[in-house]
Amino acid sequence: AQSVTQLGSHVSVSEGALVLLRCNYSSSVPPYLFWYVQYPNQGLQLLLKYTSAATLVKGINGFEAEFKKSETSFHLTKPSAHMSDAAEYFCAVKKSSGDKLTFGTGTRLAVRP
Amino acid sequence: GAGVSQSPSNKVTEKGKDVELRCDPISGHTALYWYRQRLGQGLEFLIYFQGNSAPDKSGLPSDRFSAERTGESVSTLTIQRTQQEDSAVYLCASSSGGGPHEQYFGPGTRLTVT
Repeated sequence: AQSVTQLGSHVSVSEGALVLLRCNYSSSVPPYLFWYVQYPNQGLQLLLKYTSAATLVKGINGFEAEFKKSETSFHLTKPSAHMSDAAEYFCAVKKSSGDKLTFGTGTRLAVRP
Repeated sequence: GAGVSQSPSNKVTEKGKDVELRCDPISGHTALYWYRQRLGQGLEFLIYFQGNSAPDKSGLPSDRFSAERTGESVSTLTIQRTQQEDSAVYLCASSSGGGPHEQYFGPGTRLTVT
């Protein structure tokens, strides 16, 4: 069975500081990995996805994530936080065609002025 | 183009009543998913449709929950005899295919059972 672990339910950074949100997965086969963002009272929006084409994936809003098979990790980073980045971030894994997404419990990012 | 839409956006119901939640997927998307998000928790998978068949309904928590889909269009999630633990945001997503294809999420229906 697949699972996703997001370390840190709450992360707080200063505006302009590095953002690092951690995600580790377990999967019996090479997975597809996704990061979604959820702004207050809104649905989920895809930030980026890993589909085995490249290990470093660039997404929207300056975010990127690196797939590290040896560490079973897919951490999300952004070099410089902006106030508008304050939201909840979810890492998710999918095994195969048509399969459901298995989500982590989410990390709420706060950005301090 | 139009995204995934869900209705109602908010629903307050009394314990024991039945509720019906609706999802309109993106036109042409063959796959449709229902998830549940309880307060402070991640998303839980409920059911997956490919066309109007449901090859994976493993996440439905009890026989009070059911869902159907008409062709590759609207889906309804029905909860019978609602309980307080059913209070959550119910999210619908659609996709043009499996594998690496992303799922597009609707804004959700916030269900409160009093």
